Amino acid sequence: QSALTQPASVSGSPGQSVTISCTGTYSDVGGHNFVSWYQHHPGKVPKFMIYEVNKRPSGVSNRFSGSKSGNTASLTISGLQAEDEADYYCCSYTDSNTWVFGGGTKLTVL
Amino acid sequence: EVQLVASGGGLVQPGESLRISCAASGFTFGNYWMHWVRQAAGKGLVWVACLTPDGMSTSYADSVRGRFTVSRDNAENTLYLEMDRLRAEDTAVYYCTRGPIGMTTIADYWGQGSLVTVSS
Repeated sequence: QSALTQPASVSGSPGQSVTISCTGTYSDVGGHNFVSWYQHHPGKVPKFMIYEVNKRPSGVSNRFSGSKSGNTASLTISGLQAEDEADYYCCSYTDSNTWVFGGGTKLTVL
Repeated sequence: EVQLVASGGGLVQPGESLRISCAASGFTFGNYWMHWVRQAAGKGLVWVACLTPDGMSTSYADSVRGRFTVSRDNAENTLYLEMDRLRAEDTAVYYCTRGPIGMTTIADYWGQGSLVTVSS
């Protein structure tokens, strides 16, 4: 169960768009449409942003969107705002009936 | 209001055991999958274990399988994680999470976390 691969950090200016990638294998990301994304502000509990690759739970801004191509899932945040600065984690179901997180990506809003 | 309140964390020595709990309220506990996720200081989130609403089926991360046991008491609305043969690398904040109905993901709600420190 190796962690999914995410960039350690990404950055963008307010109003811009950024994309965070999450690369796994056919045993997890590529083989299942069960990728989720979580936003984590340090000192707070993580927040549920995207599920099943591209679905948003109620209450999550439509500035957040998800997609997948092959073994790589992506989270795109458009119209960056200061409050988007946080750590972001992807999570995927696996062939072993387990779940695996990515290593996390720190988003900095410049 | 959905609430998940973890408790039972603390300092233990390597090789010892510890049980942490997660008290649920604000929803029908027995209808939901439940998960444990941990985070070591300065590190990322790591999925640990989960179990079905009836508690009859469980799944574990490789790093804890055979040492940790997840269980639940639906009458008491409580989730448990029994941790045996603890190692220094098990030191982390342990979060309990609720797996939402109708969405294939591990968490729509998170508890505040319980700190487990394994050190001599």
